[in-house]
Parts: sequence; structure tokens; C-alpha cells
Amino acid sequence: KAGVTQTPRYLIKTRGQQVTLSCSPISGHRSVSWYQQTPGQGLQFLFEYFSETQRNKGNFPGRFSGRQFSNSRSEMNVSTLELGDSALYLCASSLEGVNSPLHFGNGTRLTVT
Amino acid sequence: GQQLNQSPQSMFIQEGEDVSMNCTSSSIFNTWLWYKQDPGEGPVLLIALYKAGELTSNGRLTAQFGITRKDSFLNISASIPSDVGIYFCAGQFPDSGGSNYKLTFGKGTLLTVNP
Repeated sequence: KAGVTQTPRYLIKTRGQQVTLSCSPISGHRSVSWYQQTPGQGLQFLFEYFSETQRNKGNFPGRFSGRQFSNSRSEMNVSTLELGDSALYLCASSLEGVNSPLHFGNGTRLTVT
Repeated sequence: GQQLNQSPQSMFIQEGEDVSMNCTSSSIFNTWLWYKQDPGEGPVLLIALYKAGELTSNGRLTAQFGITRKDSFLNISASIPSDVGIYFCAGQFPDSGGSNYKLTFGKGTLLTVNP
């Protein structure tokens, strides 16, 4: 069974630009979550999608958004990039249910210059 | 909000030694998870714990869900060089709708194993 796939692996953008990251969950997983990982703040929850609906959102500004498609694939978008947005963005998928742990992809490394 | 205190921050050990790390929280969790992250990769699930007091093993790894539901530990026995990496604990508490989306992560323990 293929794992969570994230594309691209690396991105370099300049301040003010926008970026779109893509995530394909494990087959059969309908919940997709996004996390930001930085050395200073660690892993922080961005948002979660289920059945094309955003169910939950973390404490990030509105520049961070996402969506989920009918095949459960998800994208996240960051607009008006800032230097502080440089991070590893991780996507995780899970089955529905309380005993269904998150499985992570290898992430997209975003560098903003 | 919920926070996890993970310790130690880093460990440098000799191959063959046993390792122990733990996480504590002021909040209770329904699930404790332990992940390992290698450089350039995403976290990989090692062990999942679902009941207070539960003790679970995965090869040389053993983890326990604390009775108070506010702590967990991970032990690695007879360490080998490939155990090198960052180990994260994560607590999970479903929302009222039963969604298990949100993990609260510890800051990680960097493990270095000297051959």
C-alpha cells in the first residue's frame, strides 16, 4: 500500500509570492491534516479536511488555506509568502475513528528568500 | 492550550546501550503516539497507545501509556546505529465529533548512537 505522497519535495520562493503544495493520502484514508515543522516551534497543526470540508483549523493566519478534492487528495496554499514561512510542511492522513493514528508523508521543504 | 514536555532533548549513547525518554503533560490524552523522524523525511509511527496503563512493544521498542493519562515513556533496548534520529511523542484527544485529527507534539529527543 503506497504511503502518503507529497509534491514537490523542495520549493524555493521569494517573499510576496504564493505557493501550492500537494498531498495524496493513503488509499482509503479520507482525513487529511497539514502540519508545519520548524526548528523553533516544532510541529504545529495547520488544518484538517474530511470529505472535502475543512473540519478544524489551527492558529495560523488566513494566508494559509487548503482544500480537499473528492478523491481525498489535498492541497494547501500559502499566499503573500514571508521569510518566516520557511519550513517543512507535512501532510498526514488517517482513517476515521478514534483509534486511527496519523501517517505522515515526507513533506515539502519550503524556503522563502 | 495543550503542551507536551519531552525529555531529554538529546542523548548520546554507545551502541548496545538502552535508552529511555518520556513525555509529560498538564492535560490528559486519549491516545499517545511515538514517532521517529530521520533527516529529510516525515515522522514514522513507531507505537500507538490507546488505554491508560497500556504497555506495548514493537521489536526493541517498548512504550507505556501512563495511568494518569498525562504521560508516556519510550524505551529502546540494545541500541544500534540505525536508531539515530529524532523521536517525538504526540498526544491525541478527539474532538466532540470523534475526529482524531489533531496531534500535540513534544519538541523531540535527538538520539545519537556511537558505534
